[in-house]
Amino acid sequence: GAGVSQSPSNKVTEKGKDVELRCDPISGHTALYWYRQSLGQGLEFLIYFQGNSAPDKSGLPSDRFSAERTGGSVSTLTIQRTQQEDSAVYLCASSLGQVDGYTFGSGTRLTVV
Amino acid sequence: GNSVTQMEGPVTLSEEAFLTINCTYTATGYPSLFWYVQYPGEGLQLLLKATKADDKGSNKGFEATYRKETTSFHLEKGSVQVSDSAVYFCALSSSGSARQLTFGSGTQLTVLP
Repeated sequence: GAGVSQSPSNKVTEKGKDVELRCDPISGHTALYWYRQSLGQGLEFLIYFQGNSAPDKSGLPSDRFSAERTGGSVSTLTIQRTQQEDSAVYLCASSLGQVDGYTFGSGTRLTVV
Repeated sequence: GNSVTQMEGPVTLSEEAFLTINCTYTATGYPSLFWYVQYPGEGLQLLLKATKADDKGSNKGFEATYRKETTSFHLEKGSVQVSDSAVYFCALSSSGSARQLTFGSGTQLTVLP
């Protein structure tokens, strides 16, 4: 597509449930990034994919968080047993591998009640 | 590790006022520096960048100069418009292979007519 597409745009879930967030990057972009933006905070790096592999998972906050990317394209970020502190906007970005070519999606606003 | 410190907001200005948003950084090596802008309801967009010391990035009337001696990358605009109301993020690239971005906490700018 023309831009980075994220779905859903909003998600409200009950504490303890699992959620899946989807990112559809720009066609041909080999690098894909997930960031988290909490209220009043900057952007927190979560994970980076180059193709289907994730050379840097250092930002995942706990083992409840996981992500995969298939076919070098769509990525899914899964949060298991959600907690209220997981409430945030989850942003995805893709690039051709050069950091100055980042294109961000509009994000998924996750609210855990 | 890398870090970015931004001037805290919110900042409220009248139209045609001069804008400065301070940004300082800590990094190893020679990072690239960026300003991103997030308009309401939208994803982050790259506003400008500078890749080496003394470079000046500019776009849409905004400017920032990479100052290695003061480790700063302050954003300036001579005459702001209502349409400039947004959240502004300073960021730097890591020099590692992941090329992830490290962001500041963001500065909310509101321009009043």
